[in-house]
Amino acid sequence: SQTIHQWPATLVQPVGSPLSLECTVEGTSNPNLYWYRQAAGRGLQLLFYSVGIGQISSEVPQNLSASRPQDRQFILSSKKLLLSDSGFYLCAWSPGVGNTIYFGEGSWLTVV
Amino acid sequence: QKEVEQDPGPLSVPEGAIVSLNCTYSNSAFQYFMWYRQYSRKGPELLMYTYSSGNKEDGRFTAQVDKSSKYISLFIRDSQPSDSATYLCAMSSLSGGYNKLIFGAGTRLAVHP
Repeated sequence: SQTIHQWPATLVQPVGSPLSLECTVEGTSNPNLYWYRQAAGRGLQLLFYSVGIGQISSEVPQNLSASRPQDRQFILSSKKLLLSDSGFYLCAWSPGVGNTIYFGEGSWLTVV
Repeated sequence: QKEVEQDPGPLSVPEGAIVSLNCTYSNSAFQYFMWYRQYSRKGPELLMYTYSSGNKEDGRFTAQVDKSSKYISLFIRDSQPSDSATYLCAMSSLSGGYNKLIFGAGTRLAVHP
């Protein structure tokens, strides 16, 4: 069966510091990968998606970036965090077009 | 106007009640409809997935889609305290070769004993 792992689960970072969140999917190949953010009391916002290695598309302009160095690895990064980057970040995957999306456990980021 | 509208609640019901959760949408291109359950500080968990109008049943859960009215519902029968969570509707259209999911804001449900 397929599983998705995301880490770290919780982190507190100072403003201006870098960020790296990592996600891996097991039990499948060539998945579509996604990064979402969920701010308190708000819905899920798609940040990035990837349909293959090195192929990243951004949905919203921001100081975050994403990379997919391997087929089942997806990384969310920032060079300098802002207070507004605080939130709940979710990695997700789908088997392909026309299928639903499965989420990881999420990473809570607090920028102080 | 948001593409997907969902009443945020909170909705409080007694154990054993039938719960009705609803979403409306404006984009007729949506083809796939999902309901997710999200416990506090956890990732959303897929509950129901359907791509056609009508009803789909899974245990105590029934998903209903009415494409002509652009309206979807999730019914929970014999609700339990363990059903207390936020329920997110989501809809998908195929765009650029990936699943572009649009989520509702989520309805918070509390089932009290």
